[in-house]
Amino acid sequence: AQTVTQSQPEMSVQEAETVTLSCTYDTSENNYYLFWYKQPPSRQMILVIRQEAYKQQNATENRFSVNFQKAAKSFSLKISDSQLGDTAMYFCAFMISGSARQLTFGSGTQLTVLP
Amino acid sequence: EPEVTQTPSHQVTQMGQEVILRCVPISNHLYFYWYRQILGQKVEFLVSFYNNEISEKSEIFDDQFSVERPDGSNFTLKIRSTKLEDSAMYFCASSGPLAGRSDTQYFGPGTRLTVL
Repeated sequence: AQTVTQSQPEMSVQEAETVTLSCTYDTSENNYYLFWYKQPPSRQMILVIRQEAYKQQNATENRFSVNFQKAAKSFSLKISDSQLGDTAMYFCAFMISGSARQLTFGSGTQLTVLP
Repeated sequence: EPEVTQTPSHQVTQMGQEVILRCVPISNHLYFYWYRQILGQKVEFLVSFYNNEISEKSEIFDDQFSVERPDGSNFTLKIRSTKLEDSAMYFCASSGPLAGRSDTQYFGPGTRLTVL
């Protein structure tokens, strides 16, 4: 079974600063995907970024980037130039490669961006 | 941009009643999912569905739950006899094929189910 651990229940960052959210996972699989989802107060789940495990290059999406360390089973999210709208719960998620596969989520990190 | 929609946004029901939660996945997606999130807890997988069959289901998805794709657009989750502990946010998601990203699941806005 796969597990996903987010050890930071809450974090805060000043507007325009950079923050890094941590995520570790445990699996015996070799082909898988990792995701970060954002859940604002509306509780909608919004995809932030995705990483294929076979790719060595770290994924980036505008102000969001990841540091994927496969050997260490670590998948952190860096948010640059933080904005007030980034305030949300952030969930790390794991999925074995293939179709119709379940996502396994971590417990989440509540990020607050301070003005 | 195409999106997953869910109705209703909030459902209140009495314990023991049946509820049906509805979802319209992204139109050219083939894989469908239900997840739930009890308030303050992590998101949990319930079931995945492909080609009119359940692909995977979790231990949570017992005989009280069922899923159906009654027509070409809707995907439903039925809870036959609701319990207090079924109170949660229920998310529908769908995936691929879309621009080569068949493994990325896109979520709807959720239905908040309250069982009294």
